[in-house]
Amino acid sequence: DTAVSQTPKYLVTQMGNDKSIKCEQNLGHDTMYWYKQDSKKFLKIMFSYNNKELIINETVPNRFSPKSPDKAHLNLHINSLELGDSAVYFCASSHRGRGDTQYFGPGTRLTVL
Amino acid sequence: EDKVVQSPLSLVVHEGDTVTLNCSYEVTNFRSLLWYKQEKKAPTFLFMLTSSGIEKKSGRLSSILDKKELFSILNITATQTGDSAVYLCAVDGQGGSEKLVFGKGTKLTVNP
Repeated sequence: DTAVSQTPKYLVTQMGNDKSIKCEQNLGHDTMYWYKQDSKKFLKIMFSYNNKELIINETVPNRFSPKSPDKAHLNLHINSLELGDSAVYFCASSHRGRGDTQYFGPGTRLTVL
Repeated sequence: EDKVVQSPLSLVVHEGDTVTLNCSYEVTNFRSLLWYKQEKKAPTFLFMLTSSGIEKKSGRLSSILDKKELFSILNITATQTGDSAVYLCAVDGQGGSEKLVFGKGTKLTVNP
């Protein structure tokens, strides 16, 4: 069984569109994250949720909005997509947070044309 | 601002060689340092280090943390082509925060 899953794996879309990426974890973890990995492979955190509450919101444009219907899911919705949003987005989860091992999903490669 | 610096950025070796990857950090309220291996897709966890001077070992991979000098090394002995990957170092370093700060990674290529 996949521990952290993301859908879709690939997403190609036009500038200006709105899209969502879904993430689910079946590990019973309390904390979930979204990371963005740019073309230079640099991994940077975007959001963190602990028991459905936002813990971190780094300097991310308002066009990005995380939504957590329950602690097993953390979806990422992006409005008005821009070329610079093209990247691989990773979802991750950890038992509690604060240095606990994070387990990553397979990633979603977003390409904005 | 918390910072994690890895070196070298890339490394090419032959099978059977031993490699050492470096990670230095500057963080407030250090809690732990983690190593990940990233092949084509998602990073996979290797080690978590919290105590200085205690080596963690898994097969041909080992890692040690020096909290006084603020660095960690990841050793891989008798490298194999399957070790080719980007190795990421991450540090949990801010009180009350849930985030890890990642280095830019070391790209290791092991040639047959």
